[in-house]
Amino acid sequence: GEDVEQSLFLSVREGDSSVINCTYTDSSSTYLYWYKQEPGAGLQLLTYIFSNMDMKQDQRLTVLLNKKDKHLSLRIADTQTGDSAIYFCAEKDSNYQLIWGAGTKLIIKP
Amino acid sequence: DTAVSQTPKYLVTQMGNDKSIKCEQNLGHDTMYWYKQDSKKFLKIMFSYNNKELIINETVPNRFSPKSPDKAHLNLHINSLELGDSAVYFCASSQVLEGRNEQFFGPGTRLTVL
Repeated sequence: GEDVEQSLFLSVREGDSSVINCTYTDSSSTYLYWYKQEPGAGLQLLTYIFSNMDMKQDQRLTVLLNKKDKHLSLRIADTQTGDSAIYFCAEKDSNYQLIWGAGTKLIIKP
Repeated sequence: DTAVSQTPKYLVTQMGNDKSIKCEQNLGHDTMYWYKQDSKKFLKIMFSYNNKELIINETVPNRFSPKSPDKAHLNLHINSLELGDSAVYFCASSQVLEGRNEQFFGPGTRLTVL
C-alpha cells in the first residue's frame, strides 16, 4: 500500500535554515501537504503543492517536489523558536484520503 | 469562531469504563474523521464519515463506535476502556475542492486510562 516516510527528528540552530524531508510511494498523488503540530495542539495545514509544480514559496517556507524520486521537502528559512513543532508530510491518495508520515520533530537550538 | 471543536479536552478514567468524545465542525464540510495519536506522535486514522455515512473503518476494536447524528457532528464512543486506549484523539473535517482534500483538525482530546 501507499507509504509516506520522514525522519523523526531534526535539530537546527536558531537563524539557520531547516530542511525537512519526506518520501512517498504513490506516484499518482496529485497533492502533497505539510502540516504543523505545535505542542498540545491539533495539526494545522502549513502548505501544499500540486504535483505539476516543482516548487512553491510562501514567505519563509519553500516546498520542493521531485516527482521522479517521489521526494518532498520543506525548507524553513531563518528558523525561529516559534517553529518548534512536529511537521507531518501527507499525500492524497486516489480515494481523496490522506496518507500520513510519522512526523518530524523540529528542535531549535539557541 | 472555532472551526472544529472537541469536548472534553482531557479525559481521565478507569479501565473498564465507557466514555464518549464529542466533535462538532462549523465549516459546512461533508467529511469528518477520527484519528488516534499515540505517545510517539504517530497519527492513525480510525474512521471517516461522509454526509453521515461511514466510508473508512480501519482496523479498530469494535469497542470504538462512531456516531454521526448530522453532517456537523461526529462523536466517538468507547466501551470497556483499556490501558492501551490512552492517547490523544483528534477529530478533523474536510471538503474536497478542486481535487484538494485539506483537513482541519480539532484541538484533540487527551484520554488517560488508569
